[in-house]
Amino acid sequence: GENVEQHPSTLSVQEGDSAVIKCTYSDSASNYFPWYKQELGKGPQLIIDIRSNVGEKKDQRIAVTLNKTAKHFSLHITETQPEDSAVYFCAAPHNAGGTSYGKLTFGQGTILTVHP
Amino acid sequence: GAVVSQHPSRVICKSGTSVKIECRSLDFQATTMFWYRQFPKQSLMLMATSNEGSKATYEQGVEKDKFLINHASLTLSTLTVTSAHPEDSSFYICSARGGGLASQYFGPGTRLTVL
Repeated sequence: GENVEQHPSTLSVQEGDSAVIKCTYSDSASNYFPWYKQELGKGPQLIIDIRSNVGEKKDQRIAVTLNKTAKHFSLHITETQPEDSAVYFCAAPHNAGGTSYGKLTFGQGTILTVHP
Repeated sequence: GAVVSQHPSRVICKSGTSVKIECRSLDFQATTMFWYRQFPKQSLMLMATSNEGSKATYEQGVEKDKFLINHASLTLSTLTVTSAHPEDSSFYICSARGGGLASQYFGPGTRLTVL
């Protein structure tokens, strides 16, 4: 199965700065990489995803980049705001080459704190 | 679109009782639903995968007789924690996938406290 490593575990930035969270994966067959935001006491919310046929995807202040050769992908948040404070999880298919019914392997999570 | 609900949001029960948690996909047909458990400040731990109309597949170390999962329709899956004990206290989250959607969409979670 897939192995996903996420860094950093905590990230503290000032409002207006950019934040970058990185994940590496092990299975070269993985072809789909979602990012989730989880606020305290709530379920994770899908914020952006990317397929392996593109190298970058943007949605307003959020972007994800993918480097298939190096097997890593990153979440970029620009012009951070206090409401961006949350735990962010990356994920990759659990078994991209097999039958896993869409199971995902999650990273360890990054606690992002945006200071006003 | 892709809204998943969970009920109840919080439940407190006595040790030895059973608790049922419902997970519903509100605007799409969920061919697959997943149940996770999350401890404080930790990542999501997958407990089981359920496909509509078939038995759930449990992850290693998860007791299938303790955590009963039923996926009776394309919009509803239930998790029943049987004979709950204090160590079962946790945040339980479901997710659903299907309807041509690539990813999983999560419910808001259920906080279970066993006294």
